[in-house]
Amino acid sequence: NAGVMQNPRHLVRRRGQEARLRCSPMKGHSHVYWYRQLPEEGLKFMVYLQKENIIDESGMPKERFSAEFPKEGPSILRIQQVVRGDSAAYFCASSPAGGEQFFGPGTRLTVL
Amino acid sequence: AQTVTQSQPEMSVQEAETVTLSCTYDTSESDYYLFWYKQPPSRQMILVIRQEAYKQQNATENRFSVNFQKAAKSFSLKISDSQLGDAAMYFCVIFSGTYKYIFGTGTRLKVLA
Repeated sequence: NAGVMQNPRHLVRRRGQEARLRCSPMKGHSHVYWYRQLPEEGLKFMVYLQKENIIDESGMPKERFSAEFPKEGPSILRIQQVVRGDSAAYFCASSPAGGEQFFGPGTRLTVL
Repeated sequence: AQTVTQSQPEMSVQEAETVTLSCTYDTSESDYYLFWYKQPPSRQMILVIRQEAYKQQNATENRFSVNFQKAAKSFSLKISDSQLGDAAMYFCVIFSGTYKYIFGTGTRLKVLA
């Protein structure tokens, strides 16, 4: 059973470009969570999604950030018009029903 | 609100020795889980050990064990017979009530040969 998959593992963008981060949950998991890790910090919750629904996006910046988890395909975290402060590691986790979460390997975003 | 405090930004231990990483937390929930995660330079989050709050017995996983003091809201991690591969960031995490994992700021563990 493959674990949580994230791609790309590394993403470089210039200021003003868009970043799209993908997360495929573990098989049978319908709950997805996104976390952000700034340098030298712990992970911080951004958003919680179930298939086709955003359950809680209280940790996500109000502007430029959006997330989706369509009926088919991976969950996407989208950052528009990236700025240097968006440079971080973004982790996705999944769970079968809101219980213990399993983390993906993360996507490291670098904004030049 | 739930909080997790790791007061040791960095710790060092000699290979084969024992080290204890500290963690305190705060929550108003009666039912919760506590975890220790290891993050090596690869940045992968690796679950080291978990503790259910309703269990009085301290969790153990091979060389890793916890000292869970529920009344004091303390959850320390003991690593015995430290190995070079144990060098990493260690995060204390609480999970309760909501679906959010709350992370501490981490402790960087260095293992000296």
